[in-house]
Amino acid sequence: GQNIDQPTEMTATEGAIVQINCTYQTSGFNGLFWYQQHAGEAPTFLSYNVLDGLEEKGRFSSFLSRSKGYSYLLLKELQMKDSASYLCGLSADRGSTLGRLYFGRGTQLTVWP
Amino acid sequence: DSGVTQTPKHLITATGQRVTLRCSPRSGDLSVYWYQQSLDQGLQFLIQYYNGEERAKGNILERFSAQQFPDLHSELNLSSLELGDSALYFCASSGRQGASVYEQYFGPGTRLTVT
Repeated sequence: GQNIDQPTEMTATEGAIVQINCTYQTSGFNGLFWYQQHAGEAPTFLSYNVLDGLEEKGRFSSFLSRSKGYSYLLLKELQMKDSASYLCGLSADRGSTLGRLYFGRGTQLTVWP
Repeated sequence: DSGVTQTPKHLITATGQRVTLRCSPRSGDLSVYWYQQSLDQGLQFLIQYYNGEERAKGNILERFSAQQFPDLHSELNLSSLELGDSALYFCASSGRQGASVYEQYFGPGTRLTVT
């Protein structure tokens, strides 16, 4: 099975940097990903990591350590529009067409002016 | 706009009833996924179809079933509805040539309320 833990809530100030941590336990691993979900809207894809290390994408970066079962999402130069829930998740299947994703409960980030 | 469409947007029905939710994937995507999101359970994977065939299953109840049609649109059927089935149901798609299956595009969701 899969167990994914992330903080329930975080707050930060506009212009600051925030790091959202995610730890996981899984019987199989094929990738760790992050989605953003604004209240009442659909999740949108942010990033995924298959190998250890840092992936940078504009203001957002995601890090993975497979040996530690740990990932984080780093958001720089925070903007008010970054207030949203951030979902950490993983894929435990191997196979290029298998897209079964397991999500954590999400971290609700509030950005204050 | 993700390119994934879902109908209806809202659905209110009574316990014991049956409903059908519909999803049209992005043009070119071969996979369709169904997810259930509730306050107490979070976002839960239900089932995946790939090019018309069932590809992966999550904790989908036996009362729930889905299919993907030759034009790749999909339907999720929920029967013998219970109060606990009230949730937001998302459809997502992925699988264009060269794209990762992890980069899934979610539709706007169908909010189901069972009374």
